[in-house]
Amino acid sequence: SQQGEEDPQALSIQEGENATMNCSYKTSINNLQWYRQNSGRGLVHLILIRSNEREKHSGRLRVTLDTSKKSSSLLITASRAADTASYFCATVLMNRDDKIIFGKGTRLHILP
Amino acid sequence: DVKVTQSSRYLVKRTGEKVFLECVQDMDHENMFWYRQDPGLGLRLIYFSYDVKMKEKGDIPEGYSVSREKKERFSLILESASTNQTSMYLCASSSGTGGFRETQYFGPGTRLLVL
Repeated sequence: SQQGEEDPQALSIQEGENATMNCSYKTSINNLQWYRQNSGRGLVHLILIRSNEREKHSGRLRVTLDTSKKSSSLLITASRAADTASYFCATVLMNRDDKIIFGKGTRLHILP
Repeated sequence: DVKVTQSSRYLVKRTGEKVFLECVQDMDHENMFWYRQDPGLGLRLIYFSYDVKMKEKGDIPEGYSVSREKKERFSLILESASTNQTSMYLCASSSGTGGFRETQYFGPGTRLLVL
C-alpha cells in the first residue's frame, strides 16, 4: 500500500446506516488526521489522532488507530445526506521532517 | 472560527502568463501551505512557510514560487503558466511550532484553467 491510502475508493450507503472508511500507511507516523471535502470546496478538519492514542470521538465520528497494523478507520454513525463528501486521511511522518502526505480519498455517497 | 480566504474561486489564464494566487488567514497562524489537487493524485504539497519571509519547498515546487511578506498572506506565483498547471489550488494555515503536526485549516480553493 501507499502511504495514507484510503479504502474503499467509493462507498454508497442508505441514510441512517453507518459508514466505515479505512486508511493504511507504510512508515511510522507522528499523527494521522482525517479531513472531509465537499464537492469543489476546501478540506475541513475532522479529527487528529496521535500515534500514542488508540481511539478518538467527535460527535457521530469515531476514529481508531492501530499502529501495529499501520491502519486507521473512520466510522460515521447514523449517516445523513449532508455527510456526502470525500474523506481523506493525512499522515504526518516521523522520518521526513514531519511532512504530511494525503491519501486520494474515499468518496462517500449517502442515498436518501 | 478560523477563516482562510483565497482571492479567486475560478481563474482562466493563457499559457505563458504570470499568475498570482493569494491566500489570507485571519487567525495569526504561523504556518501556511499551498497544495494542488488533481483527480487520481490527491493533494500534493507545493510550498510552505513557517514564518514571514520564510519558505520551504514541498514535493512539487517546479514552476512555482511563493511570497510571504506579511504573516497573514501567502502568495503562490506561477512564473509562466503552462497547461499542466491546470488544477485546483488549496491554501491552508495552522498555528504553533508543530508545523505539519498541527491541524490545518483550508481555504475554499481556486480552480485554475490554463489555456
